[in-house]
Amino acid sequence: NAGVMQNPRHLVRRRGQEARLRCSPMKGHSHVYWYRQLPEEGLKFMVYLQKENIIDESGMPKERFSAEFPKEGPSILRIQQVVRGDSAAYFCASSPNSGSGEQYFGPGTRLTVT
Amino acid sequence: QQQVKQSPQSLIVQKGGISIINCAYENTAFDYFPWYQQFPGKGPALLIAIRPDVSEKKEGRFTISFNKSAKQFSLHIMDSQPGDSATYFCAASKETSGSRLTFGEGTQLTVNP
Repeated sequence: NAGVMQNPRHLVRRRGQEARLRCSPMKGHSHVYWYRQLPEEGLKFMVYLQKENIIDESGMPKERFSAEFPKEGPSILRIQQVVRGDSAAYFCASSPNSGSGEQYFGPGTRLTVT
Repeated sequence: QQQVKQSPQSLIVQKGGISIINCAYENTAFDYFPWYQQFPGKGPALLIAIRPDVSEKKEGRFTISFNKSAKQFSLHIMDSQPGDSATYFCAASKETSGSRLTFGEGTQLTVNP
């Protein structure tokens, strides 16, 4: 099963630490999206990346958050100096083509900031 | 302009009944409308999707009805089963512009045995 993979599944960080979330898209998919789901809320778009390019980061907080999708390896969502409000489930989705709405989600990383 | 509004927030249906969840959107540029199913602790799973060139799409017990003039679409689950108990999200995107999904707030469906 070559679905979207995310790790770690659960991540606990103290306030002020850094969190790194990884996403490997489905085989053959070169488009990656990151979404955040706060408790009891829907999913909110954060960033859209293709290999080595950030296409749309309009949903990313201006500070502390960054994302990359290098030529080799997984996509990384990085949160610096985490705060309690960053506690959420972070989902990665991938799609096969530019302009395809079909997105397949990974199992998510549940970040808890203590 | 980018919002998608979903109702009801929660829904309780008896086994064998029909579950109906509604969504309304504002942005007329949206051209792809998927529904996702999410179980607790899991990622959303693509259930069924529709594009505005058709008014209805059916896959098994799941049907999407689409009303372009009203800017509304709905999910119908026929013969609902306890295993359908999950949270359902509608979404919308512009496929020609990078396809970021705008999600509704979600509907928690409970199907009683």
